[in-house]
Amino acid sequence: DAGVIQSPRHEVTEMGQEVTLRCKPISGHDYLFWYRQTMMRGLELLIYFNNNVPIDDSGMPEDRFSAKMPNASFSTLKIQPSEPRDSAVYFCASSRDRGREYTEAFFGQGTRLTVV
Amino acid sequence: DQQVKQNSPSLSVQEGRISILNCDYTNSMFDYFLWYKKYPAEGPTFLISISSIKDKNEDGRFTVFLNKSAKHLSLHIVPSQPGDSAVYFCAASSLGTYKYIFGTGTRLKVLA
Repeated sequence: DAGVIQSPRHEVTEMGQEVTLRCKPISGHDYLFWYRQTMMRGLELLIYFNNNVPIDDSGMPEDRFSAKMPNASFSTLKIQPSEPRDSAVYFCASSRDRGREYTEAFFGQGTRLTVV
Repeated sequence: DQQVKQNSPSLSVQEGRISILNCDYTNSMFDYFLWYKKYPAEGPTFLISISSIKDKNEDGRFTVFLNKSAKHLSLHIVPSQPGDSAVYFCAASSLGTYKYIFGTGTRLKVLA
């Protein structure tokens, strides 16, 4: 399997523009997570999905952020309008539901977002 | 409110010596703990984990210790190697929610 695939790897955009980050989870995984990495907060959980349904979006910082998972193999994180403080590395991760067994999450390589 | 805390942002260790990375958590509902390693420009990769029914788990040079009463876990790397230089993240989860809560990370530098 190719692992979790994120695109683009790098995105530079101007303040006020819409930004869309994309993620393809590992096939067969039931959970998908969006994280943001910053120096102050480390890896911050923004939102996660189970079987394409958003379960917890309490980490989404503002209404400018939205995420969708239209099917089991694709998710997007959108920021509209973008602001310079949104500059960070955004990671997507996925994991498999093993019932009563613990399991780890697998991460993509991340998208480095710069808003100027 | 940071539920998982890594209070040491950085650590330097000589090659061959032991590296000890620490992590504290506040939520008593957590019952599964993980360590991830992250190299620059890459995503975090899973290293080792422990469930709350154990107090120690070992995998080669890596050992994780869990002290539930103190809500503290640590990662020991023995012997440390230059290739271990990376950022290490501690994470916690529970079977009830399945979400993974991460700390702020500790940057380990192993000096040759």
